[in-house]
Amino acid sequence: AQSVTQLDSHVSVSEGTPVLLRCNYSSSYSPSLFWYVQHPNKGLQLLLKYTSAATLVKGINGFEAEFKKSETSFHLTKPSAHMSDAAEYFCVVSDRNNNDMRFGAGTRLTVKP
Amino acid sequence: KAGVTQTPRYLIKTRGQQVTLSCSPISGHRSVSWYQQTPGQGLQFLFEYFSETQRNKGNFPGRFSGRQFSNSRSEMNVSTLELGDSALYLCASSSARDIYYEQYFGPGTRLTVT
Repeated sequence: AQSVTQLDSHVSVSEGTPVLLRCNYSSSYSPSLFWYVQHPNKGLQLLLKYTSAATLVKGINGFEAEFKKSETSFHLTKPSAHMSDAAEYFCVVSDRNNNDMRFGAGTRLTVKP
Repeated sequence: KAGVTQTPRYLIKTRGQQVTLSCSPISGHRSVSWYQQTPGQGLQFLFEYFSETQRNKGNFPGRFSGRQFSNSRSEMNVSTLELGDSALYLCASSSARDIYYEQYFGPGTRLTVT
């Protein structure tokens, strides 16, 4: 069975400062990993995905994530936060061998002016 | 290309009633998944359909059911509604047979059970 843990339920940063949202996963196989963002009253939007190619993945809106197998982590980062980044972020692990997709509990990002 | 659409966007029902939610995937997508999102339980997988067949099912009671039509549109039905069924129901479509590929989400249907 696989699982995903988002280590922080809430992260607060000031505009213009770096963002770090942490995600650890557990998977029996080589997983696919995703980060999704959900703005209030909206569906989820894919930010980026890792599918066993380059370990550093670049996504939309300046976000990127690094797959570290030794640490079973897939942390999401952005060099400089913008007010529009305030949202809920979900880390997702997918096992292509059994079509099992698991969502983390989510991290709410607050950006202060 | 139009995104995933869900109807209705908001719904209020009474305990004991049943409800049907609809999802139209992105054109060409054959996989449709349904999720329930609540503040307490987060995002939980309900089921997934591919080519009119249910391929995967989450851990929900039999009151939750779904189907997919030949045009890939999908419906989910909840019978004998309970207060705890109040949630945002999200539909997602994918172009590939397995959900290894990214899913595209609709805006959701917010169901309130009173």
